[in-house]
Amino acid sequence: KAGVTQTPRYLIKTRGQQVTLSCSPISGHRSVSWYQQTPGQGLQFLFEYFSETQRNKGNFPGRFSGRQFSNSRSEMNVSTLELGDSALYLCASSRGQPNTGELFFGEGSRLTVL
Amino acid sequence: GQQLNQSPQSMFIQEGEDVSMNCTSSSIFNTWLWYKQDPGEGPVLLIALYKAGELTSNGRLTAQFGITRKDSFLNISASIPSDVGIYFCAGRLIQGAQKLVFGQGTRLTINP
Repeated sequence: KAGVTQTPRYLIKTRGQQVTLSCSPISGHRSVSWYQQTPGQGLQFLFEYFSETQRNKGNFPGRFSGRQFSNSRSEMNVSTLELGDSALYLCASSRGQPNTGELFFGEGSRLTVL
Repeated sequence: GQQLNQSPQSMFIQEGEDVSMNCTSSSIFNTWLWYKQDPGEGPVLLIALYKAGELTSNGRLTAQFGITRKDSFLNISASIPSDVGIYFCAGRLIQGAQKLVFGQGTRLTINP
């Protein structure tokens, strides 16, 4: 069974630009969650999608957005990038129902903002 | 927001030693999970706990769901070099949106 796939793995952007990250969940998983990981803040929850609907949202500004498609694939977008957005962005999938909290993570997309 | 206090932040031990780490919170959780993250990888689920007082083992790893629902611990027995990494606790709140909250992590370093 293929794991969670995130693309791109690495990317470099400059302040003010926008970025789109993609996540393909494990086959059969209908829930996708996104986390931001930085050395100082640890793993911070961004949002969770289930069956194309946002089920939960973390405390991030509106520059951070996401969506889920009918095939459960998900994208997140960050607009007007700031230096502080440099981080590892992790996507995780789960079956979704029941919501057991058991997440399967991808390897992440490492974003550097210059 | 809800926080998990994970300790210690880092550990430096000798191969073969036992390891213990824990997470506490002022909030009540209905699920506790422990993950391990290797360099360049995403976290991998080690153990999931669903009932207060539950004690679960996975090989040399043992974790317990605190009876108050506000804490959990993870023990690793007879550590080996591949145990090196960052260990995260995570809790799912018993109320509200039931999102998963992560601790800050415990970085484990093993001297051979």
